[in-house]
Amino acid sequence: EAGVTQFPSHSVIEKGQTVTLRCDPISGHDNLYWYRRVMGKEIKFLLHFVKESKQDESGMPNNRFLAERTGGTYSTLKVQPAELEDSGVYFCASSQWNGVTGELFFGEGSRLTVL
Amino acid sequence: QKEVEQNSGPLSVPEGAIASLNCTYSDRGSQSFFWYRQYSGKSPELIMSIYSNGDKEDGRFTAQLNKASQYVSLLIRDSQPSDSATYLCAVLGYGGSQGNLIFGKGTKLSVKP
Repeated sequence: EAGVTQFPSHSVIEKGQTVTLRCDPISGHDNLYWYRRVMGKEIKFLLHFVKESKQDESGMPNNRFLAERTGGTYSTLKVQPAELEDSGVYFCASSQWNGVTGELFFGEGSRLTVL
Repeated sequence: QKEVEQNSGPLSVPEGAIASLNCTYSDRGSQSFFWYRQYSGKSPELIMSIYSNGDKEDGRFTAQLNKASQYVSLLIRDSQPSDSATYLCAVLGYGGSQGNLIFGKGTKLSVKP
């Protein structure tokens, strides 16, 4: 069974540009989460989808970040326009709809570097 | 601000020894506690979860929870070089939605052959 896959693995862009990160969860997992780790800090929650609906977006830093999950399958996270402080590793995770809370399956992350 | 604190390490132990990793959390109402292991450049992987006070054993791993002291620990017995990784403590705070985990910065463990 394929795990959580993320694309791209690394993206380098200039300040002001747009980047879109993609996450494919484990097949059959209704819950999809985005997390972020900036340099020297802990991994922080961004948001949670249940199927195509946003269940909790309390961690989204500002309106430059837009997450979508059309059709309840894969998800995208767009940063527009990117700022220097957006640099970090963006992790996607998924879990079953009735999965035990907190037992998440993570992808390897998309590293974003904003110059 | 809910926080999870871990010693960043690195924690170095010889092969075969017991590695002890510690974590404290600030939210007294926290309900669920997790240890994730992350190899360099790889995805965090859940290795233990614990929900009630006491010990929980799984193979060479033992998680310990003391809610009164707001303390969680992970013991790794018979440590192997393959256990060398960063160990992340994560907590689901009171009122937190499913999957809204609060992570510590992680403790880097190095097991020397």
